[in-house]
Amino acid sequence: ETGVTQTPRHLVMGMTNKKSLKCEQHLGHNAMYWYKQSAKKPLELMFVYSLEERVENNSVPSRFSPECPNSSHLFLHLHTLQPEDSALYLCASSQGGVGNTEAFFGQGTRLTVV
Amino acid sequence: QQQVKQSPQSLIVQKGGISIINCAYENTAFDYFPWYQQFPGKGPALLIAIRPDVSEKKEGRFTISFNKSAKQFSLHIMDSQPGDSATYFCAARGGGSQGNLIFGKGTKLSVKP
Repeated sequence: ETGVTQTPRHLVMGMTNKKSLKCEQHLGHNAMYWYKQSAKKPLELMFVYSLEERVENNSVPSRFSPECPNSSHLFLHLHTLQPEDSALYLCASSQGGVGNTEAFFGQGTRLTVV
Repeated sequence: QQQVKQSPQSLIVQKGGISIINCAYENTAFDYFPWYQQFPGKGPALLIAIRPDVSEKKEGRFTISFNKSAKQFSLHIMDSQPGDSATYFCAARGGGSQGNLIFGKGTKLSVKP
């Protein structure tokens, strides 16, 4: 285990549903990230939080809404998703300033939008 | 300029052979080059990393070769084992105010017994 826990591991949702992905890190890190991993595409950075403040939003559609209530928890709220949003969503954390150290990844949430 | 180009997309190697995966970048502001290993059902995990002030770094059977002038770096897996079968991602950090990691598309390695 890497110290980054994601729930649920698998999620199937309809296009009209609202769901949330949860990430918790037990490493004392001060930066957390959401990545999207699709087949045959690079890992896509979606959001970055440093010290609980969103510092980057890479042109992600508004149907994805992140929340970082404290330095250990990160959520990704989902609503009115599209089938092309089906992917593996990975959470990661790091310490020492954003991007300054190794990023530790969770096991991901496999999302299927039907 | 923010891209990291990785090749090949897939690689099949016999047990005991050498696996070589290549990456190239454009942005000279990148300052940290990690390789991640991902097994099915797991998140990526850091395997080995290098900074541009050295040309080679070795950890066990894994070696990174770095060519700063060519803006290329590669991962060599010596004596490849079936347990090395995984997807490997190169990455580069920097080039922006936050210094986030930019990942290659990944290489799926299969080591045949």
